Amino acid sequence: RKEVEQDPGPFNVPEGATVAFNCTYSNSASQSFFWYRQDCRKEPKLLMSVYSSGNEDGRFTAQLNRASQYISLLIRDSKLSDSATYLCVVTAGYSTLTFGKGTMLLVSP
Amino acid sequence: NAGVTQTPKFQVLKTGQSMTLQCAQDMNHEYMSWYRQDPGMGLRLIHYSVGAGITDQGEVPNGYNVSRSTTEDFPLRLLSAAPSQTSVYFCASLGTGFTEAFFGQGTRLTVV
Repeated sequence: RKEVEQDPGPFNVPEGATVAFNCTYSNSASQSFFWYRQDCRKEPKLLMSVYSSGNEDGRFTAQLNRASQYISLLIRDSKLSDSATYLCVVTAGYSTLTFGKGTMLLVSP
Repeated sequence: NAGVTQTPKFQVLKTGQSMTLQCAQDMNHEYMSWYRQDPGMGLRLIHYSVGAGITDQGEVPNGYNVSRSTTEDFPLRLLSAAPSQTSVYFCASLGTGFTEAFFGQGTRLTVV
């Protein structure tokens, strides 16, 4: 079983839509959780960290369920500029980052 | 701030050639790592370092060598390039606390 699994995508949505991405992780010792965004042919960049209580940053909401080992990202009111690949990232303490394969989002006019 | 500087951006090698990908960070981060990204495979860890003088293997280390003589630099060496090493390579650094990983701009390597 892959350590971090994401929806395969791609997700094609119209502008203004709400879209949700799911991610599961297998290592119960995982401590830190993130969503990264990667634009085509560019390096990944941090979108937001994910906290146990859930957290929101503008149109983006991240949720963590440690019992189910599940992470989600909700994007409301999608913009054309949200088109990118979204990477779920997990780390277990002072160790390596483990990436999901990513889910591609395409927002159309 | 420069952040993470990775060079070169593009490289074409012939099978059997060797080369070094350079990575430098100016954030005094202890943790640095190298990933390769292939279509449908996501980012896979090649080697990582938790501080100067300390390196360890990741998921796909074969054919690559690293060293960490200073906190700032973490070069990746391809010993004898093979077509299977055609990929996009990213260097990353991470400070204690794991609040954010910073990536270099990537190296697109083609081995013919």
